[in-house]
Amino acid sequence: AIQLTQSPSSLSASVGDAVTITCRASQGISSGLAWYQQIPGKAPRLLIYDASTLENGVPSRFSGSGSGTDFTLTIASLQPEDFATYYCQQFNTFPIIFGHGTRLEIK
Amino acid sequence: EELLVESGGDLVHPGGSLRLSCAASGFSFRSYFMHWVRQVPGKEPEWVSQIEGEETRTAYADFVKGRFTISRDNAKNTLYLQMNSLKGEDTAVYYCARGLSYPAQFMDVWGKGTTVTVAS
Repeated sequence: AIQLTQSPSSLSASVGDAVTITCRASQGISSGLAWYQQIPGKAPRLLIYDASTLENGVPSRFSGSGSGTDFTLTIASLQPEDFATYYCQQFNTFPIIFGHGTRLEIK
Repeated sequence: EELLVESGGDLVHPGGSLRLSCAASGFSFRSYFMHWVRQVPGKEPEWVSQIEGEETRTAYADFVKGRFTISRDNAKNTLYLQMNSLKGEDTAVYYCARGLSYPAQFMDVWGKGTTVTVAS
């Protein structure tokens, strides 16, 4: 199965900062990658799919890029509600796999 | 409003069975692939199974093949997960999720989850 490696595993930042999270696939997955945000006690929320397509209703400060094996999620100017855990998810082949997550904390 | 509501989670002994349900509303249920995803608190989500909208073709993670069965009743707008031969490592919050129109393996609507605990 394809493995996903997210980095960093945790990150401290301040409101207004720009942050980037990376996700590396163990083999090429074309643009078959999504990003989710999860707040404790809630279900994941889809932010980005097909590596760079913004889901309806997601603020434009979120952006995704990459293809093949290397992908990034960028949050342009952190807002208080953005402090959460972020997961990448691949679908190029079954099984669907999620990354281990990046916990974004307030500095 | 597009809504998914899971039910059926419980405490069950190892080797036991459980059936989860997911009631959908606010969208054309039969038009969408549906998924079950589970998550142990503090860990990443773990995809369990997928079922297509009309044709009922299915896919499973290796760790549930032969033990879990996904199904749907489009007349009742309901998704199911029959879980047999349960193990301690199946303990998790189980979410149902809707696949995007395309690609259907990314999930845009999620329920709040139902908790399954497998313990003696």
